[in-house]
Amino acid sequence: GENVEQHPSTLSVQEGDSAVIKCTYSDSASNYFPWYKQELGKGPQLIIDIRSNVGEKKDQRIAVTLNKTAKHFSLHITETQPEDSAVYFCAASHGSGNTGKLIFGQGTTLQVKP
Amino acid sequence: NAGVTQTPKFHILKIGQSMTLQCTQDMNHNYMYWYRQDPGMGLKLIYYSVGAGITDKGEVPNGYNVSRSTTEDFPLRLELAAPSQTSVYFCASRTGTGGLDEQFFGPGTRLTVL
Repeated sequence: GENVEQHPSTLSVQEGDSAVIKCTYSDSASNYFPWYKQELGKGPQLIIDIRSNVGEKKDQRIAVTLNKTAKHFSLHITETQPEDSAVYFCAASHGSGNTGKLIFGQGTTLQVKP
Repeated sequence: NAGVTQTPKFHILKIGQSMTLQCTQDMNHNYMYWYRQDPGMGLKLIYYSVGAGITDKGEVPNGYNVSRSTTEDFPLRLELAAPSQTSVYFCASRTGTGGLDEQFFGPGTRLTVL
């Protein structure tokens, strides 16, 4: 079955620096790759997603890149702020028209130091 | 819209007891999911449903049961609770139509089995 590996497990950056989180997936049929942010005591919330027909997607300070050949995708956060501190999860799925089952990575705890 | 609601927020269960975790969504979503989240392990899919009356197993279904008699409700039943079921449980829903794949998560139920 699908397996998603996420690195690093923890990441500490200074406010204003960039943060990069990387994920690899095993199932070449996966075509939908969301990123979720989970704040303490809350459920995960989607921050950005990308489909396999797109190589990069940007939304203000957040961007995601996808390399289908290598089966990896990354989350980039620029100009980090203390409110970016949270746990981030990548996931992979077969997307629309299917069950939408998500396979999650293990999570990255991001700490942004003021 | 309240989105996805879960009850209870916290619960302590004794070994061998049973209980039902409640999940309700008011977005008229067809798809609903139950995940468990263990420290450092990401989220694992327990069961999912593609519509009222239809359920299927996810990655870790043993020790759990679900039902989906209405579009809104997707309760998760634990029979004969074991310490290994100590976890945080999240319910999620997704429309799955119009190319929309975002899963909306509830606030979670923290369950301890002693």
